[in-house]
Amino acid sequence: SQQGEEDPQALSIQEGENATMNCSYKTSINNLQWYRQNSGRGLVHLILIRSNEREKHSGRLRVTLDTSKKSSSLLITASRAADTASYFCATGGYSSASKIIFGSGTRLSIRP
Amino acid sequence: EPEVTQTPSHQVTQMGQEVILRCVPISNHLYFYWYRQILGQKVEFLVSFYNNEISEKSEIFDDQFSVERPDGSNFTLKIRSTKLEDSAMYFCASSFEPLGDYNEQFFGPGTRLTVL
Repeated sequence: SQQGEEDPQALSIQEGENATMNCSYKTSINNLQWYRQNSGRGLVHLILIRSNEREKHSGRLRVTLDTSKKSSSLLITASRAADTASYFCATGGYSSASKIIFGSGTRLSIRP
Repeated sequence: EPEVTQTPSHQVTQMGQEVILRCVPISNHLYFYWYRQILGQKVEFLVSFYNNEISEKSEIFDDQFSVERPDGSNFTLKIRSTKLEDSAMYFCASSFEPLGDYNEQFFGPGTRLTVL
């Protein structure tokens, strides 16, 4: 099945450091998105990268996509305490354009 | 900035009762979705809706579930006879075009359903 799986499952870093989270998926995709979820709260859309794009930036976020390896990474630079959250990748496919499939997420903790 | 809203934020119900979760998608969006997230687990797709009919549904979306767009602004998810395992956070989402056209889905804040 078309599925995003993030690693690591949990990441704890010092404030100010960079955080890198990875996502792997199984089938070909149309696009890949990253979402953030604060504990018990809603999903906040961070960034969408198309299958024909290799890298995208948004503020302190940098996303890469390697379709040959079926993987993506999310880099958060100069982390802040407010970045503490779970981060999910979600894939949109060609054959099921109407849904996105979420991975299990990475729990990111920023230590002050 | 337009956003998807959901009510109530928290719903507590007894097993076997019917519940209706409500969503107001972004006004010019055409595609509507429900997802759920059981505590500590992945966000799972339930159903998508376009042009007043279901486009796609997952195996979770059985006969106990139904969706409706009753008045052109609201989008509802009904669970006919709730079970304990229906306890989860339910997210509504909307998009202007299907994801295949690169438009992202905008999610509401969720309704936490607790079935006792």
